[in-house]
Amino acid sequence: NAGVTQTPKFQVLKTGQSMTLQCAQDMNHNSMYWYRQDPGMGLRLIYYSASEGTTDKGEVPNGYNVSRLNKREFSLRLESAAPSQTSVYFCATSLRLGDGYTFGSGTRLTVV
Amino acid sequence: EDQVTQSPEALRLQEGESSSLNCSYTVSGLRGLFWYRQDPGKGPEFLFTLYSAGEEKEKERLKATLTKKESFLHITAPKPEDSATYLCAVQPDRGSTLGRLYFGRGTQLTVWP
Repeated sequence: NAGVTQTPKFQVLKTGQSMTLQCAQDMNHNSMYWYRQDPGMGLRLIYYSASEGTTDKGEVPNGYNVSRLNKREFSLRLESAAPSQTSVYFCATSLRLGDGYTFGSGTRLTVV
Repeated sequence: EDQVTQSPEALRLQEGESSSLNCSYTVSGLRGLFWYRQDPGKGPEFLFTLYSAGEEKEKERLKATLTKKESFLHITAPKPEDSATYLCAVQPDRGSTLGRLYFGRGTQLTVWP
C-alpha cells in the first residue's frame, strides 16, 4: 500500500540540464498536483491535473511542464534547470478536485 | 488576493503545556480550511478539514476550530512526539482557483520533555 510515490528522492543538476520528476499513486484518486516548498515561502502550486487528460497552471508554472500520463502517473519536467528551481518538490493527490490531499515524500532538487 | 498567515512562526512548549496555533486567512469565499502536520524530510500529513464557522474537530491531543477569519489548532498536554511543523491551507470556493489549496508558511512546534 504505497500511496503516493515520488522518484527520485534526491537530485543534483547543473544549470541548463533537464530532468523529469515522477509521481505515481495507487489510491485511485482523480486529481494530482505538483507543489514546491521553499524556506520561508510555504508550499506553492506549480501545476495540477483535475482528472486524467487535463492539466492546468498553478501559481508558479514558469520553467516547468507536466504530463498526466494516465490516471496513476503525473510527471513534472524541467527543460532547462536554473538555480532558482532549487527546492523540495511534492506531488499530492485527492479523490476529487477540492478534497484533502495525500502527499508524497518529496524530491529534494539542487541546481548548481 | 487570497492569503494565509500563520502565527507564531515557531513555538517551544514544555511537555504538558497546552497552547494554540493561529491561522488567519483572507479569501473571497471559503470552501474549506485544512490542517496538515509535516515532519522533517517528509511530506505533509492530513489532519483536519473545517468547512464552516463554528465547526470543531478533534484528534487525540489536537482540536481545530474555525471562525469567519481564522482557525486555531489547540494542543492539549503536548508530548515530544507532537513536535512538527503544522501547516494551514485554505481552499477558495469559486472561480479559477476552485479546488486549489493555498498554504501558510507553517508553525514549527517543538515540545521538550
